[in-house]
Amino acid sequence: GNSVTQMEGPVTLSEEAFLTINCTYTATGYPSLFWYVQYPGEGLQLLLKATKADDKGSNKGFEATYRKETTSFHLEKGSVQVSDSAVYFCALMNSGGYQKVTFGTGTKLQVIP
Amino acid sequence: DVKVTQSSRYLVKRTGEKVFLECVQDMDHENMFWYRQDPGLGLRLIYFSYDVKMKEKGDIPEGYSVSREKKERFSLILESASTNQTSMYLCASVRQGSNQPQHFGDGTRLSIL
Repeated sequence: GNSVTQMEGPVTLSEEAFLTINCTYTATGYPSLFWYVQYPGEGLQLLLKATKADDKGSNKGFEATYRKETTSFHLEKGSVQVSDSAVYFCALMNSGGYQKVTFGTGTKLQVIP
Repeated sequence: DVKVTQSSRYLVKRTGEKVFLECVQDMDHENMFWYRQDPGLGLRLIYFSYDVKMKEKGDIPEGYSVSREKKERFSLILESASTNQTSMYLCASVRQGSNQPQHFGDGTRLSIL
């Protein structure tokens, strides 16, 4: 079956530091890959996505590249802000079927001034 | 913009009560999902529905049921609430057959006393 593994948190960084959150996956076929973000007290929001190998998703300074050879989709940002403090979820969805999504366990990021 | 609305942000109920969580989406999506979110476990799928009156069990359906009488509304029912069902519950929807991401509501934080 499908699975998503992402790095354990919490991750604590100083403002303007470089961020990497690792994500690897196991899936059949060619899944779409997503990063969702959850700010305190809110639901999940889509941060970025990639639907095929070598695609790069980007949004709000965050980037992730779909690497089929390493089955990875690592999230990066060059300079984090306090407002980026949130929980980040890596997820995959197989094409077809009912668009069921498999989520990682989430990584909490805290950015300190 | 897609809007997924969950009826309550916070809910407190007692053990043994029958609890209803409501979710409404305004984008005519066929597929709707209920998840629970717990620290360290990420999001786990409880039930989903791909059409009116159609439902499928997810990964953790025990103790829950669902109802989809209208396309826009998907209800989660705790038949006899127990303390281990204290959690954050998230509803999501997506257009069937697309590779688009699921859209989430803001969540209901449910406490069972």
